[in-house]
Amino acid sequence: DAGVIQSPRHEVTEMGQEVTLRCKPISGHNSLFWYRQTMMRGLELLIYFNNNVPIDDSGMPEDRFSAKMPNASFSTLKIQPSEPRDSAVYFCASSGQGTNTGELFFGEGSRLTVL
Amino acid sequence: QQQVKQSPQSLIVQKGGISIINCAYENTAFDYFPWYQQFPGKGPALLIAIRPDVSEKKEGRFTISFNKSAKQFSLHIMDSQPGDSATYFCAASKGSARQLTFGSGTQLTVLP
Repeated sequence: DAGVIQSPRHEVTEMGQEVTLRCKPISGHNSLFWYRQTMMRGLELLIYFNNNVPIDDSGMPEDRFSAKMPNASFSTLKIQPSEPRDSAVYFCASSGQGTNTGELFFGEGSRLTVL
Repeated sequence: QQQVKQSPQSLIVQKGGISIINCAYENTAFDYFPWYQQFPGKGPALLIAIRPDVSEKKEGRFTISFNKSAKQFSLHIMDSQPGDSATYFCAASKGSARQLTFGSGTQLTVLP
């Protein structure tokens, strides 16, 4: 089975530009998470969807960040406008009702560099 | 408080040695404690997990020890191998929620 698929794997952009990160969760999973990883702050939960509905977005740093899940097989994380401090690796993870609580399946991440 | 504190930040062990990573939590509502392993360029992957109704869980060379009264848990890697070199994260969640609160990570290097 395919795992969680993220794109792009690498993104380099200039400050002020819009960035869109994409995620395809594992088929059948009903929970989707966006995490951000930096050396300084480690792994931070940004937002969590359950059955395509945002449940907890308290980790979204500010209004420049937005996330959508229009259907069970696709989610986006958008940053507009981007800033150098947004440089990080962004992970998407999914989990399903058939898996143990707390077992998240992570994608390989999208490394974002904002110049 | 949702914080999970992890130590040490980095660890160097000789091949065949024991690696020990420690975590402490504050929220007594946490009831699921997984450890994730992350290799460079990859996402974290579940390694082993424990619930607070047991004090220890072993899977192969990996053991979690859990101390509920002290609100601490640790990962022990026996007979550490160079292939174990990775970053290890402890985490915690509560109830039916799947949101994980992660520790800050430990970069383990096992020397050949």
